[in-house]
Amino acid sequence: AQSVTQLDSQVPVFEEAPVELRCNYSSSVSVYLFWYVQYPNQGLQLLLKYLSGSTLVKGINGFEAEFNKSQTSFHLRKPSVHISDTAEYFCAVSSPWAAGNKLTFGGGTRVLVKP
Amino acid sequence: DAGVIQSPRHEVTEMGQEVTLRCKPISGHDYLFWYRQTMMRGLELLIYFNNNVPIDDSGMPEDRFSAKMPNASFSTLKIQPSEPRDSAVYFCASTVGGSMEKLFFGSGTQLSVL
Repeated sequence: AQSVTQLDSQVPVFEEAPVELRCNYSSSVSVYLFWYVQYPNQGLQLLLKYLSGSTLVKGINGFEAEFNKSQTSFHLRKPSVHISDTAEYFCAVSSPWAAGNKLTFGGGTRVLVKP
Repeated sequence: DAGVIQSPRHEVTEMGQEVTLRCKPISGHDYLFWYRQTMMRGLELLIYFNNNVPIDDSGMPEDRFSAKMPNASFSTLKIQPSEPRDSAVYFCASTVGGSMEKLFFGSGTQLSVL
């Protein structure tokens, strides 16, 4: 079984400030890791993914995340946020080598960017 | 491609009524997933299909929920009878070959059961 924990349910941040969203996962097998963004009244959009290789992954809209296997973490960062980054962010994990590969989501982190 | 298409976008109904949510996956995708999003429980996988066959329905809350995929381009999620606690956003997603890294979501159906 696999699980994902997003440690912060809400993160207020001022415009042009950096932001970090924390994500920890648990799995008995190797995993793929994902960050999705959900803008108000919209579906989920993939921000970035880690499948293998370099542990620093760059995604769309200036976001990046770092995979840390020893700490089972996949924290998302952006050095300078915009008002348009106000959204909910979901960390997710899948186990492609497990039977019945599925995507398991964390509880989400709401980011509110203030002017 | 138009992406994953869900309808209706919003549905308001009264307790006890039947509700049918619809999904058209991306052409060529052979996996289809139904998720439910609530404040209390976050995003939950309800059921998924491979080549129109239900593979895992362990997330379906109870017998009031049923899902079908009569062909590769259409799936329905039905709630009968609906209850206020079913109020949520229901998402459909599709991918090819079971690859989660190529999963695409629809815009969701906001369901309100009064």
